[in-house]
Amino acid sequence: AQSVAQPEDQVNVAEGNPLTVKCTYSVSGNPYLFWYVQYPNRGLQFLLKYITGDNLVKGSYGFEAEFNKSQTSFHLKKPSALVSDSALYFCAVRDMDGAGGYNKLIFGAGTRLAVHP
Amino acid sequence: DVKVTQSSRYLVKRTGEKVFLECVQDMDHENMFWYRQDPGLGLRLIYFSYDVKMKEKGDIPEGYSVSREKKERFSLILESASTNQTSMYLCASSFSTVTYEQYFGPGTRLTVT
Repeated sequence: AQSVAQPEDQVNVAEGNPLTVKCTYSVSGNPYLFWYVQYPNRGLQFLLKYITGDNLVKGSYGFEAEFNKSQTSFHLKKPSALVSDSALYFCAVRDMDGAGGYNKLIFGAGTRLAVHP
Repeated sequence: DVKVTQSSRYLVKRTGEKVFLECVQDMDHENMFWYRQDPGLGLRLIYFSYDVKMKEKGDIPEGYSVSREKKERFSLILESASTNQTSMYLCASSFSTVTYEQYFGPGTRLTVT
């Protein structure tokens, strides 16, 4: 079965410091990986994706993610955190199983990022 | 920009009521999805549709049904609302191409009393 895990419920970072939000995955075949952000009382916003190509993927709002096949990880990073980055972050992987499975995403439980001034 | 809209941001219903949640997308996406979001559980797929009048069960379809009569509209129906269906409901849509990313509506926070 395919799955994605976010091992940290919450990450605390001081403003200006680098941040990392962790994600590991388990899939059969080549993974398609995604990061989404959810601000309070809002829907999810797409940040970035890895399909193929460079292991370092750049996305919106200065975020980037590094795909590591040997460690089956896709960690989200930003060189300098802002207080406005405080939100809930979800990692997702394309689901290849089942009817229409190629259109579905499997989401992690989410990691709350708190950036302190 | 892709726009996915949901009929209500907040909804309060009584146990046993029939509840309709509506979702509309304006990008001609083939695929539409309904999720519920609960703290610590992430997003769980209720139902999805990959074409008009086509639907597939997700991970937690019990107590829910869906309707897709037009390509742009996907409705979630709670036949008889129960308190354990109190949750945030998120609708999403996507193309059936290699892009795969889903675009989400703002969500409906449903409270069943």
